[in-house]
Amino acid sequence: QVQLQESGPGLVKPSQTLSLTCTVSGGSISSGDYYWSWIRQPPGKGLEWIGYIYYSGSTYYNPSLKSRVTISVDTSKNQFSLKLSSVTAADTAVYYCARGVREGGMDVWGQGTTVTVSS
Amino acid sequence: SYELTQPPSVSVSPGQTARITCSGDALPKQYAYWYQQKPGQAPVLVIYKDSERPSGIPERFSGSSSGTTVTLTISGVQAEDEADYYCQSADSSGTVFGGGTKLTVL
Repeated sequence: QVQLQESGPGLVKPSQTLSLTCTVSGGSISSGDYYWSWIRQPPGKGLEWIGYIYYSGSTYYNPSLKSRVTISVDTSKNQFSLKLSSVTAADTAVYYCARGVREGGMDVWGQGTTVTVSS
Repeated sequence: SYELTQPPSVSVSPGQTARITCSGDALPKQYAYWYQQKPGQAPVLVIYKDSERPSGIPERFSGSSSGTTVTLTISGVQAEDEADYYCQSADSSGTVFGGGTKLTVL
């Protein structure tokens, strides 16, 4: 049974870079059947897609965040990562990683990690 | 940018049928997906490819599509179905979520 777990600092200062890692267990991140996503949810608000990556390294980003986002994959560690630069208070959110299936939706989610942007 | 529009809230009594709609111009060409999110929990996929139900999801959850609107139907609503529901689809720019609908079981 595949499980995803987010990790990273819970507090980031304004203008700095937010860095999170998602560790995949119970399955290989190198499977071509899946893509690996980041989604966030500001307090009391809805879900916002950040971007996703295939094991090959191909990436797709939300146009509204594209200039600040980098998603990468480390197949040797079975992990994928998110970097969001120049953060502001508006980036405060619960950040989720999720596994996506082609035409199958995002079927496995991490529990989420809260990131607060504050000095 | 592409948007998916959902009603902010839907209320039903236990045992009744709840219908949550999601509208978007690309829906005739792109599949829709539905997620259930309970407070403090991660979203759970309940419908994929407009109307397919993942294993483990109760049969009372169903999905349908007509033109630019997709609908999540919950038949015989139970108290445990009270949650936020999000539709999701895609366009050439990537993935997009609807704003979410809070389902209240009266």
